[in-house]
Amino acid sequence: AQSVTQLDSHVSVSEGTPVLLRCNYSSSYSPSLFWYVQHPNKGLQLLLKYTSAATLVKGINGFEAEFKKSETSFHLTKPSAHMSDAAEYFCVVSPGTGTASKLTFGTGTRLQVTL
Amino acid sequence: DGGITQSPKYLFRKEGQNVTLSCEQNLNHDAMYWYRQDPGQGLRLIYYSQIVNDFQKGDIAEGYSVSREKKESFPLTVTSAQKNPTAFYLCASSIGGQGRTGELFFGEGSRLTVL
Repeated sequence: AQSVTQLDSHVSVSEGTPVLLRCNYSSSYSPSLFWYVQHPNKGLQLLLKYTSAATLVKGINGFEAEFKKSETSFHLTKPSAHMSDAAEYFCVVSPGTGTASKLTFGTGTRLQVTL
Repeated sequence: DGGITQSPKYLFRKEGQNVTLSCEQNLNHDAMYWYRQDPGQGLRLIYYSQIVNDFQKGDIAEGYSVSREKKESFPLTVTSAQKNPTAFYLCASSIGGQGRTGELFFGEGSRLTVL
């Protein structure tokens, strides 16, 4: 069994300040973890993925995430927010290298970026 | 450019009518998926297909049907048996099924509203 919890449904930051979106997971396997971003009325785009290699994962647009097994966390960070980062972010867990049909999506965190 | 095309982007339906959502991909991916997205919820899997002429039910298949006659195409029919069809529908594809990392490529979605 697996599950994912996004700890904040809404996060608001000022432009130029750091971003932290929190994600905790539960998995009976050695999981693969993903962060996806969704802009309004659009599909999801992969930001980054962890698949049992380096625990610090760098993604697109300056985002990165750190896999912490002891804390069962996979938080998404960015040093400096930009207005274009305003979107919804989904944390996703997969059971190891299994099929994509076994993905479990979090409920999403809406990131608001203000001037 | 390779990608996934969903149509129509917006669709209105009267109660009791069936409607078919189109999904076409030119990524040469084997696997295709249909997800449903409701406000404040993560994505939920409706159906998936790992190979032509074969598909499996996901977590919320009741009231939906699919076909996979060609590798490129995976249409979804929302039938009158679906009790609450108003939602945002996302089609996705992945390179393979078993043994892959689970990375998905998404279309831009179709928003269905039942009047």
